[in-house]
Amino acid sequence: RKEVEQDPGPFNVPEGATVAFNCTYSNSASQSFFWYRQDCRKEPKLLMSVYSSGNEDGRFTAQLNRASQYISLLIRDSKLSDSATYLCVVKIGTGGFKTIFGAGTRLFVKA
Amino acid sequence: DAGVIQSPRHEVTEMGQEVTLRCKPISGHNSLFWYRQTMMRGLELLIYFNNNVPIDDSGMPEDRFSAKMPNASFSTLKIQPSEPRDSAVYFCASSTGGDRGGYGYTFGSGTRLTVV
Repeated sequence: RKEVEQDPGPFNVPEGATVAFNCTYSNSASQSFFWYRQDCRKEPKLLMSVYSSGNEDGRFTAQLNRASQYISLLIRDSKLSDSATYLCVVKIGTGGFKTIFGAGTRLFVKA
Repeated sequence: DAGVIQSPRHEVTEMGQEVTLRCKPISGHNSLFWYRQTMMRGLELLIYFNNNVPIDDSGMPEDRFSAKMPNASFSTLKIQPSEPRDSAVYFCASSTGGDRGGYGYTFGSGTRLTVV
């Protein structure tokens, strides 16, 4: 079993739709969680950190469920520019950490 | 802030040649990471430095790969001799906070390496 698992997609949604991605992690010692966005042939960019209480940044909402060991990303009112691959990232441990990137979920937003 | 700067952006080389990739982290970031990305294997951590000291190089594929960080503003990843299976995009990333949790990374634009 992979340490971080994501549905590879692709998710094909129309503009204005709401779309949600989940990511599961296997190591209960996971401490920090992030979502990154990667455009085609570009570098990954930090989209948002995921806090235990959940957090929102504009149209994007991230949530953490420690009991079930998953994090989620919700995108409301999808824009064409949201088309990208979304990477789930988990940091395990606080001292001598290990960072694991998921393989990513591809999103296509269509007009 | 110029971000993480990598060079070259593209490198095409013949099998057996030495390849050197370069990275300048964001000023003030004390952690530097080298990643490799391929379609088949996704993003793989090769090596991680904290305060210029290599902390974890368990991801370095084999002895053909070596990395150095002589000072806080410069790092190199060297492949000698290169092989076609080394073809990938190599990313450098930097972060503050060392190995404490809660800090995301800033990635450079990457070096697209093709070994023929």
